[in-house]
Amino acid sequence: DAKTTQPNSMESNEEEPVHLPCNHSTISGTDYIHWYRQLPSQGPEYVIHGLTSNVNNRMASLAIAEDRKSSTLILHRATLRDAAVYYCILSLLNTDKLIFGTGTRLQVFP
Amino acid sequence: EAEVAQSPRYKITEKSQAVAFWCDPISGHATLYWYRQILGQGPELLVQFQDESVVDDSQLPKDRFSAERLKGVDSTLKIQPAELGDSAMYLCASSFLDTEAFFGQGTRLTVV
Repeated sequence: DAKTTQPNSMESNEEEPVHLPCNHSTISGTDYIHWYRQLPSQGPEYVIHGLTSNVNNRMASLAIAEDRKSSTLILHRATLRDAAVYYCILSLLNTDKLIFGTGTRLQVFP
Repeated sequence: EAEVAQSPRYKITEKSQAVAFWCDPISGHATLYWYRQILGQGPELLVQFQDESVVDDSQLPKDRFSAERLKGVDSTLKIQPAELGDSAMYLCASSFLDTEAFFGQGTRLTVV
């Protein structure tokens, strides 16, 4: 399984944009890039996913590098509710198997 | 909004006892996953079902863990006998075809 590398933790102030990086230099051509997040005491929840093109949804944006060896999850305006562990995951098919790493713990300050 | 249901939410058991967790996926979701999450770590996949068939159980400690999904709907994960190192959150997730996975709230197991 292809590996991802994320910073252990990041901080942000409320209402500021947050850019969460993920490196995946061994990504294969058929790997999708998924982002999930896990709020305290809850199961993970889907955020966004993409293959090659940048993606936007109501929660976030996903920027994928042209060589696909890295990606960035963008929260346009962080809120206190966005404080969570964010996981960047690669999978062969759309959701064939999700292998979680340790993720990035995002702290949001008022 | 449809949810993945898990029970119980919390379970305390003594080591060497048997324990079971139940998961009811979102209706129509053919794929069901069981994950184990140790505090401070990311979830670890234990077993994946496609309908009633096991697709991947390579990380399931088969000497003490078992999982079944007899009718391809709800699923049970069992541990017998439980060990202290099994204390963790057990998460169930389901997905429909090639869509995102939906996770339940999990069962917090404490083995004493």
